Amino acid sequence: NAGVMQNPRHLVRRRGQEARLRCSPMKGHSHVYWYRQLPEEGLKFMVYLQKENIIDESGMPKERFSAEFPKEGPSILRIQQVVRGDSAAYFCASSGQAVDTQYFGPGTRLTVL
Amino acid sequence: GQQLNQSPQSMFIQEGEDVSMNCTSSSIFNTWLWYKQDPGEGPVLLIALYKAGELTSNGRLTAQFGITRKDSFLNISASIPSDVGIYFCAGEAGKSTFGDGTTLTVKP
Repeated sequence: NAGVMQNPRHLVRRRGQEARLRCSPMKGHSHVYWYRQLPEEGLKFMVYLQKENIIDESGMPKERFSAEFPKEGPSILRIQQVVRGDSAAYFCASSGQAVDTQYFGPGTRLTVL
Repeated sequence: GQQLNQSPQSMFIQEGEDVSMNCTSSSIFNTWLWYKQDPGEGPVLLIALYKAGELTSNGRLTAQFGITRKDSFLNISASIPSDVGIYFCAGEAGKSTFGDGTTLTVKP
């Protein structure tokens, strides 16, 4: 009964490099959400995806950030040319329906040196 | 956009004490959720509320969905050391909006 899986759990990148964060939703779930959490802060919505579609990206920075959820495989959050301010915990959640309860993964902690 | 005000921001209590935290909003929500986040982990769902006025318990935890649909509270009775963590409320109305969390510290 696997829950939401995220990898890697920890990722270290130097400024200017690319970061790729992966999320495999819970079995049977087709809705994926990405959130960012800065230290000592709450969860900030970034993007909501269904298979092959971006439904709501109102929380995504306009530049350097992109997300996809292909027909096969995990959802990917991609950050290009990372800067120190991108250092945060990135959480993925999934749900079975659009307005169903979301279940969270363990997060990826990105550190930009 | 929708915003949630969660309070208090932090609490320091003695083991055995009861705890109460709440979330309020100017917006109406269809669902209220309460999550707990342990250090280094993702949020784990504690209680989900689906109807205005609903009162739901999960062990020592009790949560209520406010009648106006604009607020919710979470109570923890007889706190124990493993209750430490960050508690988040979330309101759903098409998409989820999270509060900034209540950090709970329990002194043995």
